[in-house]
Amino acid sequence: DIVMTQTPLSSPVTLGQPASISCRSSQSLLHSDGNVYLSWLQQRPGQPPRLLIYQISNRFSGVPDRFSASAAGSYFTLKISRVEAEDVGVYYCMQATHFPCTFGQGTKLEIK
Amino acid sequence: QVTLRESGPALVNPTQTLTLTCTFSGFSLTTSGMSVSWIRQPPGRALEWLARIHWDDDKYYNTSLKTRLTISKDTSKNQVVLSMTNMDPVDTATYYCARLEWQQQAFDIWGQGTMVTVSS
Repeated sequence: DIVMTQTPLSSPVTLGQPASISCRSSQSLLHSDGNVYLSWLQQRPGQPPRLLIYQISNRFSGVPDRFSASAAGSYFTLKISRVEAEDVGVYYCMQATHFPCTFGQGTKLEIK
Repeated sequence: QVTLRESGPALVNPTQTLTLTCTFSGFSLTTSGMSVSWIRQPPGRALEWLARIHWDDDKYYNTSLKTRLTISKDTSKNQVVLSMTNMDPVDTATYYCARLEWQQQAFDIWGQGTMVTVSS
C-alpha cells in the first residue's frame, strides 16, 4: 500500500497567520490517465471529514480561497493564507491513484 | 442535496458480526461511476478505508480485512450495507460511509459517522 507521510503532526498557528502542511507519498501518484489523485480533507473537532481539495490543487465547492494546494513530485502541500478560528482541526491527505486509497496520519492545526 | 447516514449498533460483543447500514439520498447507485465506501477511524487515530461498492456491483476490500468484510447494496432502498465478522476490541472506531466522486477520485460527501465499541 502507498504510505502517505504528513508533516508536521501538530501545527500551532497564530490567528491571521499562514499555515502549511506537507504530505509525501511513498510512490508517484501519477495515474496512467495522466491525473494525480491527491486530495486534502479537513476534520473539525467532533465532525466527519470534509473534502477541501481534489486532484492536487482544485478547491471543492464552498471551500474558501484562503485554502490552496500544490505539488512538487511526490511532495504535496496544503496552505492556509490566513488562519481563522474555524480552521482548527485535523487535516488529512489522501491518495486514490493506487489501490487501495490511503490516508496520511493527519496534522492537527491548533491556535497558539 | 446529497446526504449519507450511517446506522447500526453502538456496542458489539467480541467475536460477533457487525452490520452497518448507509442510507443515502440525492444520488443513485445505479448511475455510472457512482460508488460508496466505508471508512473507519479509531478514537484519536487516522482514517482507514475498508470497502467500496460500485454502481455495477463491483466490490473492493481492504486487503488486510478482506476475509472479514462483506459489502452489498440495495438500490431500491438507497442503502449500502457493510458486515464485519469476528469483531475485536481493536475494531472500536467511528465508521463512516462516503461517496467517491468518480472523476475527482475524492470522497466528496461523508456521513456523520457511527461510533461502534467492541466490548464484553
